[in-house]
Amino acid sequence: EAAVTQSPRNKVAVTGGKVTLSCNQTNNHNNMYWYRQDTGHGLRLIHYSYGAGSTEKGDIPDGYKASRPSQENFSLILELATPSQTSVYFCASGEGHYEQYFGPGTRLTVL
Amino acid sequence: QQKVQQSPESLTVSEGAMASLNCTFSDGTSNNFRWYRQHSAKGLEVLVSIFSDGEKEEGRFTAHLNRANLHVSLHIREPQPSDSAVYLCAVRSSGSWQLIFGSGTQLTVMP
Repeated sequence: EAAVTQSPRNKVAVTGGKVTLSCNQTNNHNNMYWYRQDTGHGLRLIHYSYGAGSTEKGDIPDGYKASRPSQENFSLILELATPSQTSVYFCASGEGHYEQYFGPGTRLTVL
Repeated sequence: QQKVQQSPESLTVSEGAMASLNCTFSDGTSNNFRWYRQHSAKGLEVLVSIFSDGEKEEGRFTAHLNRANLHVSLHIREPQPSDSAVYLCAVRSSGSWQLIFGSGTQLTVMP
């Protein structure tokens, strides 16, 4: 079974600060995804990647950057964090798009 | 764009009583439907995937799909307190790889 880990699990940041959320997967999946989950919205896709060096915009990419330095690692970067980015962030990986294995989530609070 | 709505927002049932969760979607060409369970502090666990009208059973979890009515449901047989979690419906439209998530149903199973 796919193993997807995220760090940190909880983060408190200040408005205007830089935040980096990290995701690691150990099953050699090509595709990786970042979602955010907010009350009333379900999970929404921020960025995704087809492999090392690739990043693509999802449905809500504004205010976020992504980095895929290797097959295993996919980071989500908030250069200038804002309170509206307070949310729970999920990373997922998959081979093709038809199966996505999710990590445990990172709870981010921006004060 | 595909819209996915879940009802009820929250549901409380007694241990052993059937739990029924509902999900409606807007795109009648959708061809891939999933139910996930989300325990707090854990990732999303896929429970059932269904691709055609009718019923699909995975252990105590049964999904019913009726595309003409734009409706997919999840029935949990003999729910236990450990089934208390948020349940998410996800739908994929034909011609798209993206999963569109509903906002979830919070299920509480009372002993």
